[in-house]
Amino acid sequence: KQEVTQIPAALSVPEGENLVLNCSFTDSAIYNLQWFRQDPGKGLTSLLLIQSSQREQTSGRLNASLDKSSGRSTLYIAASQPGDSATYLCAVSLTDKLIFGTGTRLQVFP
Amino acid sequence: NAGVTQTPKFQVLKTGQSMTLQCAQDMNHEYMSWYRQDPGMGLRLIHYSVGAGITDQGEVPNGYNVSRSTTEDFPLRLLSAAPSQTSVYFCASSYTPVGSGEQYFGPGTRLTVT
Repeated sequence: KQEVTQIPAALSVPEGENLVLNCSFTDSAIYNLQWFRQDPGKGLTSLLLIQSSQREQTSGRLNASLDKSSGRSTLYIAASQPGDSATYLCAVSLTDKLIFGTGTRLQVFP
Repeated sequence: NAGVTQTPKFQVLKTGQSMTLQCAQDMNHEYMSWYRQDPGMGLRLIHYSVGAGITDQGEVPNGYNVSRSTTEDFPLRLLSAAPSQTSVYFCASSYTPVGSGEQYFGPGTRLTVT
């Protein structure tokens, strides 16, 4: 059974720091991996999608990497800002469903 | 283009009551899903649909029914609400199958069952 784990569960950093969020999964037979952002009381917003054949994807200050063989993905946030404060979720896709991790709650303070 | 919309935003039910959570999308997506989000457990798939008239069960389908009579709408019905169904419910849609493309999520419905 595919399990997705995110470490750390919570993170608090000062503005300007570069930071890394981790996601690990137990079964490497995935189609893709997605990173989402969730603001309190809101839905999920897709940030990056990495296909299983890709190694990384970049969008602005965000860079996500994927290592299928080791069952790991990282989300790198450069020059963090208070507006980055949110919960970040990763999800791996099987043929017809997404399996989500429990998320990392990030707080960036001025 | 409203994206994925959900109503209501909040709902309180008594045990045994029934209700329908509404989900609609205006992006002409074939694929739609319902998830529930509980503290410490991540999002779990309840039911999903690959097109009008076609639905299937996800990881936690018990106590819920769905139907898909149109491409736009995918309502979730709670037949007899139980306190264990207290959760935040999210609807999602996508143009491609879940495993291959980006998912678009609604804002969620926060349900409390007393």
